[in-house]
Amino acid sequence: KNEVEQSPQNLTAQEGEFITINCSYSVGISALHWLQQHPGGGIVSLFMLSSGKKKHGRLIATINIQEKHSSLHITASHPRDSAVYICAARTSGSRLTFGEGTQLTVNP
Amino acid sequence: EAQVTQNPRYLITVTGKKLTVTCSQNMNHEYMSWYRQDPGLGLRQIYYSMNVEVTDKGDVPEGYKVSRKEKRNFPLILESPSPNQTSLYFCASGRDRGLDGYTFGSGTRLTVV
Repeated sequence: KNEVEQSPQNLTAQEGEFITINCSYSVGISALHWLQQHPGGGIVSLFMLSSGKKKHGRLIATINIQEKHSSLHITASHPRDSAVYICAARTSGSRLTFGEGTQLTVNP
Repeated sequence: EAQVTQNPRYLITVTGKKLTVTCSQNMNHEYMSWYRQDPGLGLRQIYYSMNVEVTDKGDVPEGYKVSRKEKRNFPLILESPSPNQTSLYFCASGRDRGLDGYTFGSGTRLTVV
């Protein structure tokens, strides 16, 4: 069992739909990161969470430390949101362990 | 422009020929790290550095070396590359272990034949 698991692996949505990507981890963490990998391969940091909830534009990230679970939500999805979304758990000493990623495709 | 610069972007080399992938950042970040990305395995951390002269192993350090002699540079060295090191490599930097997230380089696609 991987230390960080994401679901679903693949997600197809219609433009405008509300999207949720889930991340569960089995290790103690100091923070949880959400990343976006563009179709061209570039990687961008979206959020760093150690508790609660953060919002940036149409993106919302939440974390429940007790349940070892985080979610990334996209409201009013758009085709430009199509990308791979990756969660990463930061453990002791700043090691990062990654989920396998969720491939999101938003159709117009 | 704040950025992490990796070079080269693409590299094809032969087994056993030492190579270095460079990584440089202009944001005065303390934290730098190397990752490899492989189909079906996702991203995995190779090495990271919390500051100058401080480096630590990630999940897959075997076959790699790093050094952090200056704050801005964090080269990845493959002393004797093998085909199983064919991969897409990313360097990233962050302020204070990534409190504001990380800035990633554009990636280096390495093929070892």
